Amino acid sequence: AQTVTQSQPEMSVQEAETVTLSCTYDTSESDYYLFWYKQPPSRQMILVIRQEAYKQQNATENRFSVNFQKAAKSFSLKISDSQLGDAAMYFCAYTRGIQGAQKLVFGQGTRLTINP
Amino acid sequence: DAGVTQSPTHLIKTRGQQVTLRCSPKSGHDTVSWYQQALGQGPQFIFQYYEEEERQRGNFPDRFSGHQFPNYSSELNVNALLLGDSALYLCASSSLTFRPDTQYFGPGTRLTVL
Repeated sequence: AQTVTQSQPEMSVQEAETVTLSCTYDTSESDYYLFWYKQPPSRQMILVIRQEAYKQQNATENRFSVNFQKAAKSFSLKISDSQLGDAAMYFCAYTRGIQGAQKLVFGQGTRLTINP
Repeated sequence: DAGVTQSPTHLIKTRGQQVTLRCSPKSGHDTVSWYQQALGQGPQFIFQYYEEEERQRGNFPDRFSGHQFPNYSSELNVNALLLGDSALYLCASSSLTFRPDTQYFGPGTRLTVL
């Protein structure tokens, strides 16, 4: 069974600084996708970034980027120029790349606090 | 472009009762998945519907059942509620024909069982 582990229950960063959230996963599949979702206090789970495992290039979305290390099964999220609105729970998630929609497997989450 | 919508926002029930939660997928999406998120935890997969049939199911008892309608909207039903069913229930939608791997979530329904 696939598992996702986020070893940092909480992180904090000064506004405008850079922070990196860690995620490791375990799978025997070669084709899969990885995601970071953000869940603010409003509870809505918002997609932050998506990575295709067969692409070596790390995904980026504006201030958000990932460091995808397939051999190490590591998938960290870097947030640059942190803003107060970035404060939220961040979840790392995995899904198999088999044809068709598959279930998401989530980590336990990391609570990110932004200090003004 | 309407996103995923869920109703109701909050719900309070007592043990033994039954509850129905509703979800409308994002425009253009045909697949709906349901997740349960206990306080302080990551979401856990309940089941997924496509073409009005259950495609996949997580490790949840038969008290949890669902339905998908021809317009792709979906319901989650929970019978014989237990205190442990108190959680945030999230609906997510995706398209089987475009990036089926990527799911978009609704705002959730907070269920409290007393």
